[in-house]
Amino acid sequence: QSALTQPASVSGSPGQSITISCTGTSSDIGSNNLVSWYQQHPGKAPKFMIYEVNKRPSGVSNRFSGSKSGNTASLTISGLQGEDEADYYCCSYAGGSYVDSSPLFGGGTKLTVL
Amino acid sequence: QITLKESGPTLVKPTQTLTLTCTFSGFSLSTSAVGVGWIRQPPGKALEWVALIYWNDNIRYTSFLKSRLTITKDTSKNQVVLTMTDMDPVDTATYYCARHKQYTHFDVWGRGTLVTVSS
Repeated sequence: QSALTQPASVSGSPGQSITISCTGTSSDIGSNNLVSWYQQHPGKAPKFMIYEVNKRPSGVSNRFSGSKSGNTASLTISGLQGEDEADYYCCSYAGGSYVDSSPLFGGGTKLTVL
Repeated sequence: QITLKESGPTLVKPTQTLTLTCTFSGFSLSTSAVGVGWIRQPPGKALEWVALIYWNDNIRYTSFLKSRLTITKDTSKNQVVLTMTDMDPVDTATYYCARHKQYTHFDVWGRGTLVTVSS
């Protein structure tokens, strides 16, 4: 199973909005609503930001939102702030039933806040 | 508060077997729809899922490492152990364990442990 495809880098100015795409196939992203997103600052462990495509856990800013269309999922960050500068990873699931599927991560996107 | 912590050797030689332990607190691995997974990250590279064990002993392995992996759990000790045989320098990475919830996401992560494979 190949990794999900993400752009290597995106950038934006403070206050702007950016969108990070995550492209898979009909066997993973296109087959369920199990997309999650993780933020990782340098030298730190990943932090869980979005689950089941567009659900936000408590404590995560509402500036972060997720969506999906077909085989592509997206993470949008509005009102960019310096602290948003980090690597972002998408994750989906493939391989069968809900309880038998396996996780698959994207290649990661480096967000630079200009 | 939910925490997970990885432990194990920081240096292993090629062909040796790696054993990593994830010790967790704040949840039980006997709770329905809860799992613990291992994810690794080679230096400067992307996250890569490795293995997952669920509350009901359902086990998943990434296909390209499956022949080298074993994951087990000890519910009474709140531990999950990952063994990886025949280590190679390309297996050098930070290894994270994380709680997996409702079959949909990894919601709490450990800090990770860097494992270097070198002679």
